[in-house]
Amino acid sequence: GENVEQHPSTLSVQEGDSAVIKCTYSDSASNYFPWYKQELGKRPQLIIDIRSNVGEKKDQRIAVTLNKTAKHFSLHITETQPEDSAVYFCALMDTGRRALTFGSGTRLQVQP
Amino acid sequence: DAGVIQSPRHEVTEMGQEVTLRCKPISGHNSLFWYRQTMMRGLELLIYFNNNVPIDDSGMPEDRFSAKMPNASFSTLKIQPSEPRDSAVYFCASSLTSGTPTDTQYFGPGTRLTVL
Repeated sequence: GENVEQHPSTLSVQEGDSAVIKCTYSDSASNYFPWYKQELGKRPQLIIDIRSNVGEKKDQRIAVTLNKTAKHFSLHITETQPEDSAVYFCALMDTGRRALTFGSGTRLQVQP
Repeated sequence: DAGVIQSPRHEVTEMGQEVTLRCKPISGHNSLFWYRQTMMRGLELLIYFNNNVPIDDSGMPEDRFSAKMPNASFSTLKIQPSEPRDSAVYFCASSLTSGTPTDTQYFGPGTRLTVL
């Protein structure tokens, strides 16, 4: 099946700074790339997603960029706030299975 | 919209016992997914159904695990016999599969299973 590598595993930033999380993949047929946020003890929740025919998508302080040639996509959070502290998972749709494959997660800590 | 409903929310059982986890997908959704989350292995897909039919169960760890979806509004994941290494949070998710690969999956609150 598809493999997704996510980096870094932990990220600590000061409130107001930006945070970037990157994922790389190997299956060039993957064409859907969502990002999920999981707070402690809670369920994963979709925060943004991107399709393969788009290079960038933005929603307020959150943006996702996709480079299909290099097979990587990134989550960008600007003006971070303490409530952004959580574990973030990238994922992609395995077109063969029509199911999501998740990255290993990034624990983001925003220091007030 | 009640979202995806899972029960129980917490389950503590002893090794060798049978465990049944339950899931009610969002009304109108036609795909249902079972995931397992552990610190060591992260979020893993166990099995998924489309229109109540199991499509891919390659993630089911072994024969002790089984899943059913008797109708569009109910699914079960059963572990028999349970083992301590089965301890994890089990999530159910559902989506409306409309033919495109961009169907958003909505997760339930999860069942935290502890096998002693």
